[in-house]
Amino acid sequence: SQQGEEDPQALSIQEGENATMNCSYKTSINNLQWYRQNSGRGLVHLILIRSNEREKHSGRLRVTLDTSKKSSSLLITASRAADTASYFCACSMNTGFQKLVFGTGTRLLVSP
Amino acid sequence: EAGVTQSPTHLIKTRGQQATLRCSPISGHTSVYWYQQALGLGLQFLLWYDEGEERNRGNFPPRFSGRQFPNYSSELNVNALELEDSALYLCASSLGTSGRIQETQYFGPGTRLLVL
Repeated sequence: SQQGEEDPQALSIQEGENATMNCSYKTSINNLQWYRQNSGRGLVHLILIRSNEREKHSGRLRVTLDTSKKSSSLLITASRAADTASYFCACSMNTGFQKLVFGTGTRLLVSP
Repeated sequence: EAGVTQSPTHLIKTRGQQATLRCSPISGHTSVYWYQQALGLGLQFLLWYDEGEERNRGNFPPRFSGRQFPNYSSELNVNALELEDSALYLCASSLGTSGRIQETQYFGPGTRLLVL
């Protein structure tokens, strides 16, 4: 089963609005990463937040992590049409195995 | 600096055939990961290679196999293809583990496999 589950499954907004995507996971993690995927192509790494961090920023991206609730959120501010993509959270767990367990993704559509 | 490259971009096979997919990691990366992204199922971890050895595999049958070469490039082989193997296969690379916690993975553009 997927470690990460994202909410919402799909989100449609207008340019300039903010987009918030949430990810919940089940077990303890080392870190949580967010990726973007355009039209079924390769994934682009956006940001990594470690289990001892609570918030991280990168440009228009803001990621929060609440380990007590086993959840993370990705906020994209002042969205652009080019932000249209699927967004995935991926968990690196405390298993010692080097793999990422991906969520089901949120499909974001930003209309001009 | 070149990113992760994969070939071919598209591959069409028929049931029962074998498929070979190739991946070249970012220069300096020794770990290679393979994922399957079937329609509507999200990314599923397939295999992880590091320093030429298979370190971990996901919940896939043995007909999914691969190897990593001395130059750290990798092949994914899928034998006895089935219709449900149709998917986007993504390769990712990262710096070697050396016992360190998970590094960021950088993904290639993928190979889209269609089994008819």
